[in-house]
Amino acid sequence: AQSVAQPEDQVNVAEGNPLTVKCTYSVSGNPYLFWYVQYPNRGLQFLLKYITGDNLVKGSYGFEAEFNKSQTSFHLKKPSALVSDSALYFCAVRGPSNTGKLIFGQGTTLQVKP
Amino acid sequence: EAGVAQSPRYKIIEKRQSVAFWCNPISGHATLYWYQQILGQGPKLLIQFQNNGVVDDSQLPKDRFSAERLKGVDSTLKIQPAKLEDSAVYLCASSGIGYEQYFGPGTRLTVT
Repeated sequence: AQSVAQPEDQVNVAEGNPLTVKCTYSVSGNPYLFWYVQYPNRGLQFLLKYITGDNLVKGSYGFEAEFNKSQTSFHLKKPSALVSDSALYFCAVRGPSNTGKLIFGQGTTLQVKP
Repeated sequence: EAGVAQSPRYKIIEKRQSVAFWCNPISGHATLYWYQQILGQGPKLLIQFQNNGVVDDSQLPKDRFSAERLKGVDSTLKIQPAKLEDSAVYLCASSGIGYEQYFGPGTRLTVT
């Protein structure tokens, strides 16, 4: 069965420093992977996806993610964090091929301090 | 391009009452999803529609939850009767040709 794990409940980083939010996955077949961000009282906003191709995927707001097949990981990264990046981040994997549902991790709260 | 619209944004009801949520997807998106997000957890799929047909409702508690998507556009999700454990945010999402899904702002339901 498809699953996603986000091992950190919270990540703290100082503004201007690089940030990493971790995600590992378990799938049968090729993984379709996604990152979403959720601000308070808002829905989820799509950041980026990996379907195929380059292992380094670039997305919105300066975020990128690195797909690593051998480590079954899809970590979210940003070279220089902003206070406004503080939010809840979800990693997700697409479900079995006969449906399009997303299976989400538990979420990681990112706190960027000035 | 307008995003996914949902209403109401907030709803408070007593247990055993009924409630309905409405969703209008992005224009032209054939696939519509309802997710339930309990506080502190990631969203979980309740039901998926392709046009006006159900693709996946395996996680929908059918004794109390129902959903429909008439004419393949708007959708409603109903809970009757509500239980305390139904307190959650109900998210509607839609997708088109690409694999990514676009989410509405959600409806926060509190059952007392």
